[in-house]
Amino acid sequence: EVQLVESGGGLVQPGGSLRLSCAASGFTFSSYWMSWVRQAPGKGLEWVANIKQDGSEKTYVDSVKGRFTISRDNAKNSLYLQMNSLRAEDTAIYYCARVHMATFDPWGQGTLVTVSS
Amino acid sequence: QSALTQPRSVSGSPGQSVTISCTGTSSDVGGYNYVSWYQQHPGKAPKPMIYDVSKRPSGVPDRFSGSKSGNTASLTITGLQAEDEGDYYCCSYAGSPYVVFGGGTKLTVL
Repeated sequence: EVQLVESGGGLVQPGGSLRLSCAASGFTFSSYWMSWVRQAPGKGLEWVANIKQDGSEKTYVDSVKGRFTISRDNAKNSLYLQMNSLRAEDTAIYYCARVHMATFDPWGQGTLVTVSS
Repeated sequence: QSALTQPRSVSGSPGQSVTISCTGTSSDVGGYNYVSWYQQHPGKAPKPMIYDVSKRPSGVPDRFSGSKSGNTASLTITGLQAEDEGDYYCCSYAGSPYVVFGGGTKLTVL
């Protein structure tokens, strides 16, 4: 069964940092682009970042450029999102997803990040 | 990277059909045949219902169909059922490697 499981969310103060992880299983992780997508409370979906199969290409939505870093460890079948200089507007459920063009499938269950003092 | 435009809500009675539109530009929806649709129930992760404009993932009922004309994509659900109620999001490729989502549509089954 193809599965993605996120972890690492929690409460953090504005300006703080957090590292999210996503454990993949059931497919050849190293063969796929991977993404992070977030959803603020009561709001819609927002694509956050993509990373190529070998990690050589990384792209971000403008609002997180310079603050977030996506990475992966193909030996551990894991995807990461290092989030620095966190702001209140970064509060959201963060989902990892396998991606091909505009198709995100599957999605993890999500991990909640709350930025508040 | 502007969001795609969807109606905030649509509704229909069981057995009826509804169509949800998703309007973008020639730089996203109109420029590529990579539009996907996601269903989301409260407290759950999104589930893909349509990809590449009109293809259905395995297990998705054929009551769900997708199409595109110019800069607007559409999701049509025929024979509405109670379990179809939820939020629906469209998504389009917008040139490597960007992706843009719609604002979401709440479907109510009356």
